[in-house]
Amino acid sequence: GDSVTQMEGPVTLSEEAFLTINCTYTATGYPSLFWYVQYPGEGLQLLLKATKADDKGSNKGFEATYRKETTSFHLEKGSVQVSDSAVYFCALTNTNAGKSTFGDGTTLTVKP
Amino acid sequence: ETGVTQTPRHLVMGMTNKKSLKCEQHLGHNAMYWYKQSAKKPLELMFVYSLEERVENNSVPSRFSPECPNSSHLFLHLHTLQPEDSALYLCASTMTGENYGYTFGSGTRLTVV
Repeated sequence: GDSVTQMEGPVTLSEEAFLTINCTYTATGYPSLFWYVQYPGEGLQLLLKATKADDKGSNKGFEATYRKETTSFHLEKGSVQVSDSAVYFCALTNTNAGKSTFGDGTTLTVKP
Repeated sequence: ETGVTQTPRHLVMGMTNKKSLKCEQHLGHNAMYWYKQSAKKPLELMFVYSLEERVENNSVPSRFSPECPNSSHLFLHLHTLQPEDSALYLCASTMTGENYGYTFGSGTRLTVV
């Protein structure tokens, strides 16, 4: 079956540091890939997506590129802020039923 | 109102109580989901409804009973819960086949005492 593996956390960075959260996947066919963010006390919010190989999703300074050859979708941000502290989930959708497979989540803490 | 709305936001119930969680979306989506999120555990998919039909039930105990009366509303009926059922219950919706991703509600924080 489909699976998503995320870099284990927690990740702690200083403000303005560079962020990478690794995500790799296993799936048949051509899945769409997503990153979600969950702030404390809230549900998950869609952060960015990519629907085909070599697509780059971007939003709020975050980027991720769909790499089919390495089955990866790593999340990056050049300069993190304290407000980026949250849990980040990588996910894929591979069927017309719309069901997604989620990674376990990576907790990011950014210190001033 | 846009997005996915879940009520109540917080719920405390005794093990012998019966309560219901409500989820509502007016995004025109045709699939809705219930997830359970417990501390230090992965997201657990509980139920999937597509076009108002339940298409998946991931071995969820019968003390959880979903209901989808129409494409905009989803309920989770709870009865005789256990303390280990305390968690954040998340509702999500999407349009199947369109690569939209999920729109999640803010969740109901359930505590069973």
